Amino acid sequence: AQKVTQAQTEISVVEKEDVTLDCVYETRDTTYYLFWYKQPPSGELVFLIRRNSFDEQNEISGRYSWNFQKSTSSFNFTITASQVVDSAVYFCALSEETSGSRLTFGEGTQLTVNP
Amino acid sequence: NAGVTQTPKFQVLKTGQSMTLQCAQDMNHEYMSWYRQDPGMGLRLIHYSVGAGITDQGEVPNGYNVSRSTTEDFPLRLLSAAPSQTSVYFCASISAPPFEQYFGPGTRLTVT
Repeated sequence: AQKVTQAQTEISVVEKEDVTLDCVYETRDTTYYLFWYKQPPSGELVFLIRRNSFDEQNEISGRYSWNFQKSTSSFNFTITASQVVDSAVYFCALSEETSGSRLTFGEGTQLTVNP
Repeated sequence: NAGVTQTPKFQVLKTGQSMTLQCAQDMNHEYMSWYRQDPGMGLRLIHYSVGAGITDQGEVPNGYNVSRSTTEDFPLRLLSAAPSQTSVYFCASISAPPFEQYFGPGTRLTVT
């Protein structure tokens, strides 16, 4: 069965600090997809990134970067030079090829960036 | 192109009442899902559909019914609301692999 663990329930940083959100997953499939979503205080779910299991390249998008390591079953998310607008709940999620469209979410990490 | 729409945005029900949460998508996706979000628990899958006429249970299906008569619509029915169903409900329309999920804005439901 698929499982996603986000061990950090809450993180609080001061603006301009770098912060890394951890995500560890479990799956028996060789083909799977990993996602990160942002949920700001307004409540909507904002898609940030998708990574396929066969593509271990790290990705950088502006201040955001993702480190995918199959050896440790981790898909960590780093925000560089954090800003107050980054304050949100961040979810990591997993879908397996065999489970199709069913997405398993981690419990989320509440990030608070203080001015 | 509206994407995924959900109605209503907010709803208060009394225990035992019934209601239907509406979800519609205009992306012609075969896959759709319903999730509920409770504090500290992330999102959990209630029911999902892989095409018109085909539905199946997710992780927390009890107390909910679904049907999928058209590709566009995937309503979620609460037959007899209970306070444990107080939650935020998200509908998702999902692309073919790699299963990118497009979420609606959510419905905040309170059962008293």
